[in-house]
Amino acid sequence: GQQLNQSPQSMFIQEGEDVSMNCTSSSIFNTWLWYKQDPGEGPVLLIALYKAGELTSNGRLTAQFGITRKDSFLNISASIPSDVGIYFCAGPQGAQKLVFGQGTRLTINP
Amino acid sequence: NAGVMQNPRHLVRRRGQEARLRCSPMKGHSHVYWYRQLPEEGLKFMVYLQKENIIDESGMPKERFSAEFPKEGPSILRIQQVVRGDSAAYFCASSPSGAGDGYTFGSGTRLTVV
Repeated sequence: GQQLNQSPQSMFIQEGEDVSMNCTSSSIFNTWLWYKQDPGEGPVLLIALYKAGELTSNGRLTAQFGITRKDSFLNISASIPSDVGIYFCAGPQGAQKLVFGQGTRLTINP
Repeated sequence: NAGVMQNPRHLVRRRGQEARLRCSPMKGHSHVYWYRQLPEEGLKFMVYLQKENIIDESGMPKERFSAEFPKEGPSILRIQQVVRGDSAAYFCASSPSGAGDGYTFGSGTRLTVV
């Protein structure tokens, strides 16, 4: 089946720094989704991308749908403590299932 | 407008007991999905249901696991004769139409088998 690979697996940064993470796949996706999971909670949808090359922002978050449709990037500018958590990329597998990457764990030092 | 409600939040079971996990989807959502998350891993699809129908159970183990979404009441994920390897976080999600717009997830049930 389709698999999504996220990198890096974990990041340790200082508050105020910018963050970049990416997600790659061996097969094409028509939609890319980015979720954030806080400790002890379920994932929350941050950004949805529907078109190759699309660049979409949500506050300090910006995500891009790669031109090849096999990758996506998420950037967080000027990180703050509440950005701590695990960031997952996901894409539809068929009409109903989502396949998730293994996550990028973000830790911020104040 | 309540989100996806899961209960219990935490469940401890001894090996061999049954675990029943409940999920009430968001109002107006008729598609329910169950996912499992092992520690330090992403979410893995288990089963997709609509009211009274299992549409896709390709991610669910063939034995001991079952799911239902009755006409009235919440969706139930049942695990019979639990083993230590069943310890995980189980998330329910709902959507109005399908996966393309993303799901809304509940807060999960964390199952610990002792």
